[in-house]
Amino acid sequence: SQELEQSPQSLIVQEGKNLTINCTSSKTLYGLYWYKQKYGEGLIFLMMLQKGGEEKSHEKITAKLDEKKQQSSLHITASQPSHAGIYLCGAGSNTDKLIFGTGTRLQVFP
Amino acid sequence: KAGVTQTPRYLIKTRGQQVTLSCSPISGHRSVSWYQQTPGQGLQFLFEYFSETQRNKGNFPGRFSGRQFSNSRSEMNVSTLELGDSALYLCASSLSSRATYNEQFFGPGTRLTVL
Repeated sequence: SQELEQSPQSLIVQEGKNLTINCTSSKTLYGLYWYKQKYGEGLIFLMMLQKGGEEKSHEKITAKLDEKKQQSSLHITASQPSHAGIYLCGAGSNTDKLIFGTGTRLQVFP
Repeated sequence: KAGVTQTPRYLIKTRGQQVTLSCSPISGHRSVSWYQQTPGQGLQFLFEYFSETQRNKGNFPGRFSGRQFSNSRSEMNVSTLELGDSALYLCASSLSSRATYNEQFFGPGTRLTVL
């Protein structure tokens, strides 16, 4: 079965620093989603990437999809405390189920 | 437009009991998916309903069941609760039933604690 592995598992950065979170799939990616979750709450949709090489940005967050490498990256520029939370990547599989990565916990300190 | 709502938000049950969770999707969305989130297993797919039919199912025992009503509202039921069922249960709604290229909107979740 397909698996999504995220790295790093946990990240602590100082406010203003840039950071990158990676998501690697064990199989071909059929679309890639990035979500953010505050502890114990629901997931907030960030971005959806559909094609290899696609790159999307929203405010200070940029996500890229490398379909050949079966990998996506999420980059945050000039991090702020509001960026803190758990970042999850999700992908459609050939069984049409949405599967999720293991998550990356981000903490941003002043 | 109202988002996905889930009730109740918190629930405490004892082993052996059963529980029913409710999810109201975004207006116009016909697909509702359920997920279980635990610290050890992460976010796992339970099942998906589209137009009152179960379209997809994850690897969970038969104690976990669900249904969808004609207004797209969905319920999931867990019978004979076990300690390991303690988790955050999330539902998500979307326009179509495809998992690919189809944004899912998540509710705030129901936190179930089994004692």
